[in-house]
Amino acid sequence: GAVVSQHPSRVICKSGTSVKIECRSLDFQATTMFWYRQFPKQSLMLMATSNEGSKATYEQGVEKDKFLINHASLTLSTLTVTSAHPEDSSFYICSASEGPPSYNSPLHFGNGTRLTVT
Amino acid sequence: EDQVTQSPEALRLQEGESSSLNCSYTVSGLRGLFWYRQDPGKGPEFLFTLYSAGEEKEKERLKATLTKKESFLHITAPKPEDSATYLCAVQAQGGSEKLVFGKGTKLTVNP
Repeated sequence: GAVVSQHPSRVICKSGTSVKIECRSLDFQATTMFWYRQFPKQSLMLMATSNEGSKATYEQGVEKDKFLINHASLTLSTLTVTSAHPEDSSFYICSASEGPPSYNSPLHFGNGTRLTVT
Repeated sequence: EDQVTQSPEALRLQEGESSSLNCSYTVSGLRGLFWYRQDPGKGPEFLFTLYSAGEEKEKERLKATLTKKESFLHITAPKPEDSATYLCAVQAQGGSEKLVFGKGTKLTVNP
């Protein structure tokens, strides 16, 4: 089946620094990738939709200057958390499908990145 | 606004004790309802997609059903390895591809 690889799985950084998270589709081309954030015992909250070759679409309330998304190729999207603060500590998960999530191309998720900002 | 409510929040079963998880949704035209399994510290793993009321899908001990207002995930004779958080998500008609997730049901199956 389709595999989405996310790196790193865990990162600890100091307040004020920036962190980059990579999301790769290993065996398919993903024109669209999605970035989610998950707090303990909470649902996955969509942060932004990343389209290859164009600007990401951010959900309401998500700061686009803080969470920079780059979808440079059909297999790679990156999320950079700029000037991270402790409140940015969370579990970030990317997902991708070959086309619109549907019967034939469901959304596949990476294994997430646990970000801890000290 | 599209919403997904899952119940119960947590469920403890004995091995072999069948039960059902509920996913109630409100959406402006359902394009698809998705079930995922999530293990601790991992990303969600796709289980099923349902598209229309009356549809059913099965995979091993799991069966998902769909009505116009809710979906059930039936677990028959569960095993400890079925322990996980089960997530339900909906996708609305209208062009947006995003999924709206519920908070999940944490299932624990004791041996």
